[in-house]
Amino acid sequence: SQTIHQWPATLVQPVGSPLSLECTVEGTSNPNLYWYRQAAGRGLQLLFYSVGIGQISSEVPQNLSASRPQDRQFILSSKKLLLSDSGFYLCAFESSSYEQYFGPGTRLTVT
Amino acid sequence: AQKVTQAQTEISVVEKEDVTLDCVYETRDTTYYLFWYKQPPSGELVFLIRRNSFDEQNEISGRYSWNFQKSTSSFNFTITASQVVDSAVYFCALIRTQGGSEKLVFGKGTKLTVNP
Repeated sequence: SQTIHQWPATLVQPVGSPLSLECTVEGTSNPNLYWYRQAAGRGLQLLFYSVGIGQISSEVPQNLSASRPQDRQFILSSKKLLLSDSGFYLCAFESSSYEQYFGPGTRLTVT
Repeated sequence: AQKVTQAQTEISVVEKEDVTLDCVYETRDTTYYLFWYKQPPSGELVFLIRRNSFDEQNEISGRYSWNFQKSTSSFNFTITASQVVDSAVYFCALIRTQGGSEKLVFGKGTKLTVNP
């Protein structure tokens, strides 16, 4: 069966520090992968998506970047965090039937 | 442009009541997919249902049912005999296709609170 993992589950980082969030998928090959952010009390915003290794598309220009070094690994990064980067970050993979399945999320607080 | 509107920001009901969550969408595509996701307090989004634009049949799954009407561009979700465990934020979403990747466009969500 297909599963998706994210870590860490929670993170508190000071402004200006770097960020690395990791997402891995099991049970599927060459999935489309997605990073979303959910600000407190708001809907989901698509940040990045990837259709393959090294292929990243950005939806919203901001202080974040993404990389896909392996087929089932998707990493969200920042060199210097801003207060506005706080939020709940969700990784998702797409099944063959257009359905997206989400990981447990990472709750990031920038102080 | 694709858009999903969930006009109900918050709904509060008493256990065993029926509740309907509204979803209205906008798209120029003739082929599209609609979804509902549940986000319990733990935060993880749980897939509930997918419906394609050519299938307007209503669907029932236990206490959950969905009413898809292309004429009104609506995809409403009804929970029958609600339970406390149904308390969550529910998101309606629409797929748009661009560059070979399907991208979900989400509504802002409806927070449902079911009180005992």
